[in-house]
Amino acid sequence: LAKTTQPISMDSYEGQEVNITCSHNNIATNDYITWYQQFPSQGPRFIIQGYKTKVTNEVASLFIPADRKSSTLSLPRVSLSDTAVYYCLVGDTDRGSTLGRLYFGRGTQLTVWP
Amino acid sequence: GAGVSQSPSNKVTEKGKDVELRCDPISGHTALYWYRQSLGQGLEFLIYFQGNSAPDKSGLPSDRFSAERTGGSVSTLTIQRTQQEDSAVYLCASSLVLGGSSTDTQYFGPGTRLTVL
Repeated sequence: LAKTTQPISMDSYEGQEVNITCSHNNIATNDYITWYQQFPSQGPRFIIQGYKTKVTNEVASLFIPADRKSSTLSLPRVSLSDTAVYYCLVGDTDRGSTLGRLYFGRGTQLTVWP
Repeated sequence: GAGVSQSPSNKVTEKGKDVELRCDPISGHTALYWYRQSLGQGLEFLIYFQGNSAPDKSGLPSDRFSAERTGGSVSTLTIQRTQQEDSAVYLCASSLVLGGSSTDTQYFGPGTRLTVL
């Protein structure tokens, strides 16, 4: 079961770009990389998912180098409302493999200051 | 449509009592997950249901914990003889299993905050 390593906390100011890097040295061939966001007193919410290179959606970008042993979540121009815990996960929920057993870890607490 | 719902939102119980936590997944989602989150900690996987397959119970911390899913929809997590260390937020998630090798997006409910006195 692939585990991940992320910084425990990060601070930023409104309007800045934030990059959170996650290490996953034991990522398997079939594993995808997924990021979730969690606000206090709420369940996590899906942000973005990728397999290799770069993925971009309306919320964030995900950069994955060729060896896939790490990934970087990029949040452009953060605001106060982006203050949350961000989880990096690797896994493959295809039937017959880890079957839903995703490891969330402790995540990265991002605090955005005015 | 409606998201994942959980009840109760808060539960306070005395040590030694049994509790039942309920999860209503998103309609049509075949996969259902239970997690536990202690204060300031990440999510701890408990159990996973997928369709009619036998559930993956590998994350259940002890035999005091059990879960069932009736009719492939609603799930109940039962904790018997609760202990103070069971105090946590219990989160339920569901996903639409698309097949293939991607990781299916999990949609989480608001959680049940369990406090064992």
